[in-house]
Amino acid sequence: AQTVTQSQPEMSVQEAETVTLSCTYDTSESDYYLFWYKQPPSRQMILVIRQEAYKQQNATENRFSVNFQKAAKSFSLKISDSQLGDAAMYFCALSKAAGNKLTFGGGTRVLVKP
Amino acid sequence: GAGVSQSPSNKVTEKGKDVELRCDPISGHTALYWYRQSLGQGLEFLIYFQGNSAPDKSGLPSDRFSAERTGGSVSTLTIQRTQQEDSAVYLCASSPRLGGGRETQYFGPGTRLLVL
Repeated sequence: AQTVTQSQPEMSVQEAETVTLSCTYDTSESDYYLFWYKQPPSRQMILVIRQEAYKQQNATENRFSVNFQKAAKSFSLKISDSQLGDAAMYFCALSKAAGNKLTFGGGTRVLVKP
Repeated sequence: GAGVSQSPSNKVTEKGKDVELRCDPISGHTALYWYRQSLGQGLEFLIYFQGNSAPDKSGLPSDRFSAERTGGSVSTLTIQRTQQEDSAVYLCASSPRLGGGRETQYFGPGTRLLVL
C-alpha cells in the first residue's frame, strides 16, 4: 500500500516571500511519480509540478520547485516570490509509474498575506 | 479547448435516494478517473476507465456505487440508496491515455453532494 503524509495543515506566507510545504510518502515501488496539485476555491485541481523518482534532478516550474530526497522519502514544494493567486490547498500525490491512480496526502492550506 | 466538466455542480438529496453524477472529459481523452474528496477520508481514488472498460474498481467503497462510460466519452457515477457518509465532493479527471504517472490527469470542478 502507498501512503502520503502532509504534516502541515496550514501555512502562511507574506506576499513575495518563500514558503516550503512538506510531504513524506511510503511505497514499495522502485519506479513511481510524485506530484503537487493546487486546489483553489473553485475546487478544480491543477497540476503544479511532477517528479519522476528515477530522476535525481529536482523538478522546477517557474516559481515552484521541489526538493526530492528519495532515500528519506521526502518531497517538499517551495513556492518562491509568493503571489496572492498562490493561496489555495496544496496536495502531494503519488502514483506508481505503471499505475493509474493517484494517492493523495491530506493537503496543506496556503494563505498569502498582502 | 474545453476542460473537464461535471454536472450538477451541487446536489442535495435525501438519505435513501439514488443520485447520478456526470462527467464530460476533455475531447479525445481515452482515460477517465473518479475520486472522492471528503472531510473524513480526504481525497481517495474510486475508479478509472480506459475507453468504456473499468479495469480497476477497487476504490468503490460499496456495492451501492457504480460507474459506467459510454462511447468512450461521458461517464456517470451512480450512488444508490445514498447515506449521509456519501456526502463529499466527487471529482472527475481525464488524461489523453493511460500511461501511469507520465500522463497528466486534468480535473473537473467536482460535484458537491450533500445527503440529508
